[in-house]
Amino acid sequence: NAGVTQTPKFQVLKTGQSMTLQCAQDMNHNSMYWYRQDPGMGLRLIYYSASEGTTDKGEVPNGYNVSRLNKREFSLRLESAAPSQTSVYFCASRQGLRETQYFGPGTRLLVL
Amino acid sequence: GDSVTQMEGPVTLSEEAFLTINCTYTATGYPSLFWYVQYPGEGLQLLLKATKADDKGSNKGFEATYRKETTSFHLEKGSVQVSDSAVYFCALSEAGGFKTIFGAGTRLFVKA
Repeated sequence: NAGVTQTPKFQVLKTGQSMTLQCAQDMNHNSMYWYRQDPGMGLRLIYYSASEGTTDKGEVPNGYNVSRLNKREFSLRLESAAPSQTSVYFCASRQGLRETQYFGPGTRLLVL
Repeated sequence: GDSVTQMEGPVTLSEEAFLTINCTYTATGYPSLFWYVQYPGEGLQLLLKATKADDKGSNKGFEATYRKETTSFHLEKGSVQVSDSAVYFCALSEAGGFKTIFGAGTRLFVKA
């Protein structure tokens, strides 16, 4: 039981490049989430998927797109990376409302 | 909207000292409340939770009580260890919603 996995662990991009962050969970959870963590800012929600086939914007969606590929996988895409998107990105999942969220180990992204 | 406010850090304590990290919240309805912990280089993991008023969550010597009258969920530990050094996040899960709202995090340093 791997829980929530994320790839890659670390990535360096140049401004304007694109990339996709991958996330998968093996706990059969309905809801999945993407957050970014910046120093002094806590966690900010980018997008979430309440269930397979649905996605919704969070607090800071600009510059990102998501795909809920199936119940297990939820990817985050940066179409044209900017230095302001330098951050640590966490994927999380949970079974239902008011339940515990389970987090992946994070992807550290540096945009030059 | 719902929000979580927790004390700013960093908090620096000597080993075996008493720990309190304050957390207050605003919410409509009856949210679930959580404390998550993040060790260096890792994702967040659940430390403890409470789902209704007067519930006490506890784990690894940490405790927090859901106080509806003061809208608080303060984290306490009687005797901290060096291994407790981490960032602690207070969070609430909206009643009837899909989002979890996180506080900004409090960094704890424990000196030997």
